[in-house]
Amino acid sequence: EAQVTQNPRYLITVTGKKLTVTCSQNMNHEYMSWYRQDPGLGLRQIYYSMNVEVTDKGDVPEGYKVSRKEKRNFPLILESPSPNQTSLYFCASSFSHNTDTQYFGPGTRLTVL
Amino acid sequence: GESVGLHLPTLSVQEGDNSIINCAYSNSASDYFIWYKQESGKGPQFIIDIRSNMDKRQGQRVTVLLNKTVKHLSLQIAATQPGDSAVYFCAEREGNTPLVFGKGTRLSVIA
Repeated sequence: EAQVTQNPRYLITVTGKKLTVTCSQNMNHEYMSWYRQDPGLGLRQIYYSMNVEVTDKGDVPEGYKVSRKEKRNFPLILESPSPNQTSLYFCASSFSHNTDTQYFGPGTRLTVL
Repeated sequence: GESVGLHLPTLSVQEGDNSIINCAYSNSASDYFIWYKQESGKGPQFIIDIRSNMDKRQGQRVTVLLNKTVKHLSLQIAATQPGDSAVYFCAEREGNTPLVFGKGTRLSVIA
């Protein structure tokens, strides 16, 4: 089944404790992206990657890192999480950055205490 | 999930009626538009898209209308069903720039 998977789906952590949210897609997509979704603000792009070893900042990159060592995986890293990073995070992928359809993962709800 | 829906405008529709969800966009140079559906606890799901050289596009039970003059996009859902209950939001893009997402509208279907 073609899909985007994220892990974990739910995470409660404390300020300053490094964490990684994994994202994997099995559709051989070149483009992958991370968004955060907050009430009243909609989806905002954090980082994106047009291909392996190519990553770029989105609208709200501060406090986040990403890597794209392989085509299928695009982990989101929070080196020192803070409470303002409490949010719902979505990974998405598509064949290319200007391809019509982005496929979204199921989301990761992160709470930073 | 549900916390995403807080503070959103809500449209309540009787089952079987048609729904119209509206979206205003600000970038007159946007040339591509998408509608997404997000059910509680799930990621956004593509519904239908339209390019700026069109003003109407139809899918299965859904129609998207684009009015470039007033920068307005709408999604029409025919014969609304309980399974249509979700948050709907539009997204726009200019050229090869990243998608810009709207904040969404919650559709509530009354059985």
